Amino acid sequence: EAGVTQSPTHLIKTRGQQATLRCSPISGHTSVYWYQQALGLGLQFLLWYDEGEERNRGNFPPRFSGRQFPNYSSELNVNALELEDSALYLCASSLGGRNNEQFFGPGTRLTVL
Amino acid sequence: GEDVEQSLFLSVREGDSSVINCTYTDSSSTYLYWYKQEPGAGLQLLTYIFSNMDMKQDQRLTVLLNKKDKHLSLRIADTQTGDSAIYFCAVFSGGYNKLIFGAGTRLAVHP
Repeated sequence: EAGVTQSPTHLIKTRGQQATLRCSPISGHTSVYWYQQALGLGLQFLLWYDEGEERNRGNFPPRFSGRQFPNYSSELNVNALELEDSALYLCASSLGGRNNEQFFGPGTRLTVL
Repeated sequence: GEDVEQSLFLSVREGDSSVINCTYTDSSSTYLYWYKQEPGAGLQLLTYIFSNMDMKQDQRLTVLLNKKDKHLSLRIADTQTGDSAIYFCAVFSGGYNKLIFGAGTRLAVHP
């Protein structure tokens, strides 16, 4: 069974640009989570999508947004990129609702120059 | 607010046991997890424990939970060089369906 997949593996952007990161959950999982792993800041919760709806978001500005598609895959969009957005962005999936066991993908490393 | 703390570094000799410790503040956490991250990779779920358990054993891994002291530990028996990685403790915040992570403990295994 395929795990969580993310694309691209690496992404290089310049300040002010927009970045789009993609995630495909494990088959049968309906919840998708996004986390940011920035140097010195650890792993921070960004967003939770379940059944196509945003259910919760972490303490991040509105330029971090996303969506979940009918096939449960998800996109994370980061607008007006800043240097401090450089990080590893990890996507996780779980069975829907309040199920807590989250399985992570390999991540997308975003570098903002 | 919710907080999870871990020591940052642990060095052990190959074949010895490793013990990685974690403390947390959210007493309502129902599930507590250990994840492993190898260089350049995502997070691998190693094991978890439910808050009404004291101990869980899974092959070389033993998780101990002291709910009164909000202390969680991961013991790796017969530590191998392949166990070298960063280990994250995480608690599940049921109110928000999110994981709250510690800073990670870097385990170095030497011959």
